[in-house]
Amino acid sequence: DGGITQSPKYLFRKEGQNVTLSCEQNLNHDAMYWYRQDPGQGLRLIYYSQIVNDFQKGDIAEGYSVSREKKESFPLTVTSAQKNPTAFYLCASSIIGLTNTEAFFGQGTRLTVV
Amino acid sequence: AQTVTQSQPEMSVQEAETVTLSCTYDTSESDYYLFWYKQPPSRQMILVIRQEAYKQQNATENRFSVNFQKAAKSFSLKISDSQLGDAAMYFCAYRPPGSNYKLTFGKGTLLTVNP
Repeated sequence: DGGITQSPKYLFRKEGQNVTLSCEQNLNHDAMYWYRQDPGQGLRLIYYSQIVNDFQKGDIAEGYSVSREKKESFPLTVTSAQKNPTAFYLCASSIIGLTNTEAFFGQGTRLTVV
Repeated sequence: AQTVTQSQPEMSVQEAETVTLSCTYDTSESDYYLFWYKQPPSRQMILVIRQEAYKQQNATENRFSVNFQKAAKSFSLKISDSQLGDAAMYFCAYRPPGSNYKLTFGKGTLLTVNP
């Protein structure tokens, strides 16, 4: 079945360590996104990419990095510079070039710093 | 920058009754796209309904409908005949026109459905 796969579902990280969250899609979508969700904050955009080898910062990019080497993959690295990384992370993708395209979401990764 | 405001952090409704969730947004664009997403306890985001700003007709999807007031920049969601399965967090989202596919979300409204 087509969809977006995020892994792992739960991730624990020690302070000072970098960690990478995986996001893969087989929907042939051009655009991919990373959102962070905190209680009472809704979804905040970290990074997004509309084409391979290109990406843009969202509203809260500090302490995060991404790459887009393949159309189907958009991994997110949470670096040690991110002051408060414990959160729920959602990856999404969408078609571009059509008018009213919805974003499809993965099932999320819960990251906890211990 | 675009902002999306959901002024009701929590709402409750009796099963089979109707409830309306509010959303306002700020934009200088004349054409854009609006969405309502549902996030049940599984945390999987599901599209409920979408609206193009250039369309005057309000979108409907079965028991879900919107009241789109472009001049007021308001985009409310009405759920009719509420069911227990409608209990979830609901997010309003805005996307600008053209080649920018950045989605901006509100902070969400937690809907409880009482039996």
